[in-house]
Amino acid sequence: EPEVTQTPSHQVTQMGQEVILRCVPISNHLYFYWYRQILGQKVEFLVSFYNNEISEKSEIFDDQFSVERPDGSNFTLKIRSTKLEDSAMYFCASSDGYRGSTDTQYFGPGTRLTVL
Amino acid sequence: SQKIEQNSEALNIQEGKTATLTCNYTNYSPAYLQWYRQDPGRGPVFLLLIRENEKEKRKERLKVTFDTTLKQSLFHITASQPADSATYLCAPHNQAGTALIFGKGTTLSVSS
Repeated sequence: EPEVTQTPSHQVTQMGQEVILRCVPISNHLYFYWYRQILGQKVEFLVSFYNNEISEKSEIFDDQFSVERPDGSNFTLKIRSTKLEDSAMYFCASSDGYRGSTDTQYFGPGTRLTVL
Repeated sequence: SQKIEQNSEALNIQEGKTATLTCNYTNYSPAYLQWYRQDPGRGPVFLLLIRENEKEKRKERLKVTFDTTLKQSLFHITASQPADSATYLCAPHNQAGTALIFGKGTTLSVSS
């Protein structure tokens, strides 16, 4: 069964450093998403991406965040200058987004980001 | 603003019993509602979706109801097993391609 994959599974970085989290969405899906979950808290939406542009973003997704689909398979989240409070699990998700679709979103296993 | 409440953060039941989890939402008129399961340190896994014009949906031991008047969904697991222990998340939803807004979830523990 097709699945969303994410790399790395765990990333440790120093405060102020840039990190790039990578995702390979399900191949025929059209919508891509990033969510994050701070330890012990709920899953929070960051951004959605469709047709090579951001379609929706939350208040969390400020100027230090960016997303990109550099090729036909990868979807990346970049955090330019990490802060301690960016430490969280980051989940990528994708959905097919076809007309009439109910938009079930399929999540990857996550990348645990630790900012020291 | 949109708000989702799942009735309790933790639910402990014995194996074989039926677990019932509640999801209430406000300031929403969702076209459908999704339930996900999340295991510790893992991503949410889709379980069931119910549309606004459906009263009930079943999948194996799982059953979901959706009452748009009460703005509530109930999620039932019958003949529960220790392997059902996880956090269950509900996400009312309106439109494809838009954010899923999750509640905090209910952590179910099934003891043998």
